[in-house]
Amino acid sequence: KQEVTQIPAALSVPEGENLVLNCSFTDSAIYNLQWFRQDPGKGLTSLLLIQSSQREQTSGRLNASLDKSSGRSTLYIAASQPGDSATYLCAVEGGSEKLVFGKGTKLTVNP
Amino acid sequence: GAGVSQSPSNKVTEKGKDVELRCDPISGHTALYWYRQSLGQGLEFLIYFQGNSAPDKSGLPSDRFSAERTGGSVSTLTIQRTQQEDSAVYLCASSLRGGSGEQPQHFGDGTRLSIL
Repeated sequence: KQEVTQIPAALSVPEGENLVLNCSFTDSAIYNLQWFRQDPGKGLTSLLLIQSSQREQTSGRLNASLDKSSGRSTLYIAASQPGDSATYLCAVEGGSEKLVFGKGTKLTVNP
Repeated sequence: GAGVSQSPSNKVTEKGKDVELRCDPISGHTALYWYRQSLGQGLEFLIYFQGNSAPDKSGLPSDRFSAERTGGSVSTLTIQRTQQEDSAVYLCASSLRGGSGEQPQHFGDGTRLSIL
């Protein structure tokens, strides 16, 4: 059974700092790994999707990497801003098409 | 709007009542998913539709839960004889097609269900 773990559970940083969020998964047989952002009371916003054959994806200040063999992914956020404050969720998609989620990292960026 | 639409946004009902939750996926998306998000449990998969058929119902927690999708578009999740442990946020997602590994899932804002 696939299990996804995110560390840390919460993170507080000053504005402008670069930061890394970690995600690990137990079964390397995945189609893709996705990073989402969730704001309070809202649904999930897709940030980046890395297919199993890819090593990384970039969008603006976000960079996600994938090491499938070791079951790890990182989300790098450059020059953090207060608007980046949210919960970040990592999820993997396996052969059953469903996403298996970690419990998230709650990020607070202080002005 | 162009996103996934869910209704109602909030639902409060008494234990034992039946509830219906609705999801309108993004136009043209053939794959539709239901998830549940509860405190302490995180997000868990409930059911997946490809077109009108549901190849994976493995996440439905009991036979009180059922879902259907008609016309390859709108889906309804029904919970019969609700229990307090059903209280959660129910999220719907859609993607251009399932099983490819290439398409992200796009989520609605969810229905917050509270059972009194």
